Amino acid sequence: ELKVEQNPLFLSMQEGKNYTIYCNYSTTSDRLYWYRQDPGKSLESLFVLLSNGAVKQEGRLMASLDTKARLSTLHITAAVHDLSATYFCAVVGADRGSTLGRLYFGRGTQLTVWP
Amino acid sequence: DVKVTQSSRYLVKRTGEKVFLECVQDMDHENMFWYRQDPGLGLRLIYFSYDVKMKEKGDIPEGYSVSREKKERFSLILESASTNQTSMYLCASSLYPRGPYNEQFFGPGTRLTVL
Repeated sequence: ELKVEQNPLFLSMQEGKNYTIYCNYSTTSDRLYWYRQDPGKSLESLFVLLSNGAVKQEGRLMASLDTKARLSTLHITAAVHDLSATYFCAVVGADRGSTLGRLYFGRGTQLTVWP
Repeated sequence: DVKVTQSSRYLVKRTGEKVFLECVQDMDHENMFWYRQDPGLGLRLIYFSYDVKMKEKGDIPEGYSVSREKKERFSLILESASTNQTSMYLCASSLYPRGPYNEQFFGPGTRLTVL
């Protein structure tokens, strides 16, 4: 079964700093998603990465995918308080479940940005 | 915009009660999913459905059943609620089994407490 590992699970950073969240997965996949969840709210899609070398950017967040290394990164540039949330990566697997649209989620990274 | 709605935001039930959680999507999506979310464990898939009257077990189906009588509606049933089923329940839907459109869209969640 496909395993997805995120690290760190908790991240506390000062405004203006940069940091990277890592998402590793255990078997072949060609599609990866990043979601954001605010406290008490549902998940909101941030990025869809569809191929090796894909890079997407939105504001202070940039996501990339290396399918050979089975690794995605979510880079935060010059963090601001509004980025405080929990971030999940999710991967489409290569098993039968994936043909039915199943995603495998990491445990999430809880990001807190302080002044 | 895709809209996924869930029947209740908060629900309190007693041990042994039969509980129904309803999810409706308005974008004619093929796939629908039920997850539970617990602190530190991320999202865990309970059941999913890729067509009317079809269902597949996820990772933690024990103690749950589902029903999909209409394409837009997917119900999660707790036959006899127990305290260890206290959790946040998230419903999601996606358009196609494969291709870039299998991004999942989430409902607002139902926080269930079983006393």
